[in-house]
Amino acid sequence: ETGVTQSPTHLIKTRGQQVTLRCSSQSGHNTVSWYQQALGQGPQFIFQYYREEENGRGNFPPRFSGLQFPNYSSELNVNALELDDSALYLCASTETGEDTQYFGPGTRLTVL
Amino acid sequence: GESVGLHLPTLSVQEGDNSIINCAYSNSASDYFIWYKQESGKGPQFIIDIRSNMDKRQGQRVTVLLNKTVKHLSLQIAATQPGDSAVYFCAENTGGSYIPTFGRGTSLIVHP
Repeated sequence: ETGVTQSPTHLIKTRGQQVTLRCSSQSGHNTVSWYQQALGQGPQFIFQYYREEENGRGNFPPRFSGLQFPNYSSELNVNALELDDSALYLCASTETGEDTQYFGPGTRLTVL
Repeated sequence: GESVGLHLPTLSVQEGDNSIINCAYSNSASDYFIWYKQESGKGPQFIIDIRSNMDKRQGQRVTVLLNKTVKHLSLQIAATQPGDSAVYFCAENTGGSYIPTFGRGTSLIVHP
């Protein structure tokens, strides 16, 4: 167990809708990163938050946005869903001063 | 569960054999490398890491070798067990920002 939880486990949406995915990490893990993992591929970095501020962003459009809260929870929001957004969405947290990322089990998003 | 092994390079071994999984990384400035194991339906799990000032690091049943000259990383698993069956990813990181870039992954299948 990594201490990182994600909800929901699975989600089905239709094209054009909006979705919010949630992540909860351990106390003291002030850095959280979100990844998109397409089937058969490695995780692709979306963005990272440190102490509630965006700390880095991958090659994803602005319709992917995030929030981090003081209670070590975070959200990934995706607007105007497209079919290609269907993937496993992973969050990973890191304890301040450490390098190891601890991943949650992921949310499987299907866009129809 | 999901089949993250689709279209991935595959290594098949017999239980008890030693396994070697290889990874070529892309950025010569990368200074921190991590191996992850991802079982079906789960998020990536940290296995072992190595920094660029080392060429070998050992853990429990696992060894990581780093060859910076040819930008190559390998993961050796001793006495492979059926529970080792999973997809293995290498990830590289540059400059302490901790935004790792994941490789495509290798599917390890262990036959009893």
